[in-house]
Amino acid sequence: SQELEQSPQSLIVQEGKNLTINCTSSKTLYGLYWYKQKYGEGLIFLMMLQKGGEEKSHEKITAKLDEKKQQSSLHITASQPSHAGIYLCGADGDSNYQLIWGAGTKLIIKP
Amino acid sequence: DSGVTQTPKHLITATGQRVTLRCSPRSGDLSVYWYQQSLDQGLQFLIQYYNGEERAKGNILERFSAQQFPDLHSELNLSSLELGDSALYFCASSVVRASEQFFGPGTRLTVL
Repeated sequence: SQELEQSPQSLIVQEGKNLTINCTSSKTLYGLYWYKQKYGEGLIFLMMLQKGGEEKSHEKITAKLDEKKQQSSLHITASQPSHAGIYLCGADGDSNYQLIWGAGTKLIIKP
Repeated sequence: DSGVTQTPKHLITATGQRVTLRCSPRSGDLSVYWYQQSLDQGLQFLIQYYNGEERAKGNILERFSAQQFPDLHSELNLSSLELGDSALYFCASSVVRASEQFFGPGTRLTVL
């Protein structure tokens, strides 16, 4: 079965610095989704990537899906306290009805 | 606000008890998903319903059951509760496909 591995597990970054979170799949990705979760709250959809080489941006967050479609990266530029939270990647699993989830990356922004 | 509502927000109960968690999906969404999130297990998919019918099962225990009603709201029933069932339970909804799921705020279950 497909597995998603996220790295790093946690990240402490000085406010204003850039950072990157990775999501690596054990199988080819046909749909990759990034979500953000604030502690104890629901997940918020950020972006969806489907095509190899695709790149999407929203405000200061950019996500890419590599050409081979087995890895995605999420890059935050000039991090702010509002970026703090847990970032999770999800991918279309073997069934069309559910997503496979990574374990999440906990991001802390130091003022 | 995602448009998905969950009640109650918090639930404290004792081992051996039974509880029911409720979810109302976004207007127009036919699919409802239930997830369990704990510190050591991460986000675990439990079960999915589409327009009243069960579509996919994940790591759902036999002590747990769910259903989706004609008005599309869903309930997750947890019985013979154990300490290890303490977790955040999320409901999510989507129009049809698994992508772009919209999550509710969750129900925090504490089993004492």
